[in-house]
Amino acid sequence: DTEVTQTPKHLVMGMTNKKSLKCEQHMGHRAMYWYKQKAKKPPELMFVYSYEKLSINESVPSRFSPECPNSSLLNLHLHALQPEDSALYLCASSQVPEGREEAFFGQGTRLTVV
Amino acid sequence: AQKVTQAQTEISVVEKEDVTLDCVYETRDTTYYLFWYKQPPSGELVFLIRRNSFDEQNEISGRYSWNFQKSTSSFNFTITASQVVDSAVYFCALQRGGSNYKLTFGKGTLLTVNP
Repeated sequence: DTEVTQTPKHLVMGMTNKKSLKCEQHMGHRAMYWYKQKAKKPPELMFVYSYEKLSINESVPSRFSPECPNSSLLNLHLHALQPEDSALYLCASSQVPEGREEAFFGQGTRLTVV
Repeated sequence: AQKVTQAQTEISVVEKEDVTLDCVYETRDTTYYLFWYKQPPSGELVFLIRRNSFDEQNEISGRYSWNFQKSTSSFNFTITASQVVDSAVYFCALQRGGSNYKLTFGKGTLLTVNP
């Protein structure tokens, strides 16, 4: 099973709402990632969790708050977003947080902020 | 600094044609990894191949083949006898050796295979 599952697939939220994106993998991977992808652009790394600890934060605004409750789950809490935050949010995991292992991606959550 | 250049923004071919997607990278590291991912309209990035900097052996997997040449810093991807299902955006990516995982993606190439 090489599946990364993300929910919801689509999300529309207002600028004052609080919502969460969820990501789950059951491959025993110890590294998990959040990427943001705008239309016609490559994915941009947001956060890296290594062994359930936040190891990389790519200067992401605090209105995005990641959480890793356990080795299989990764959440992204959203609060007071702006319309420019509308994008595809991709979760990924890899066996270890090193390039010698490929990352597996979920199908993403298409987020629209209104 | 690391950089990946995919000069072809869009390519359109007719089914059964062969097509090559170009990827040129820049890095000062001696240990690094190169990847190709496919992104169909559904959004998921599908892993295709990983190559480390010490392995220049070309690889073939069915209709897909990859040509890694360190001398020209290129990692090109060829699809033989293309099919409509190959239509997608293809990303080439580079990662440094070490413990901090960060993929540097190229801008991607949109491949459209017409019937």
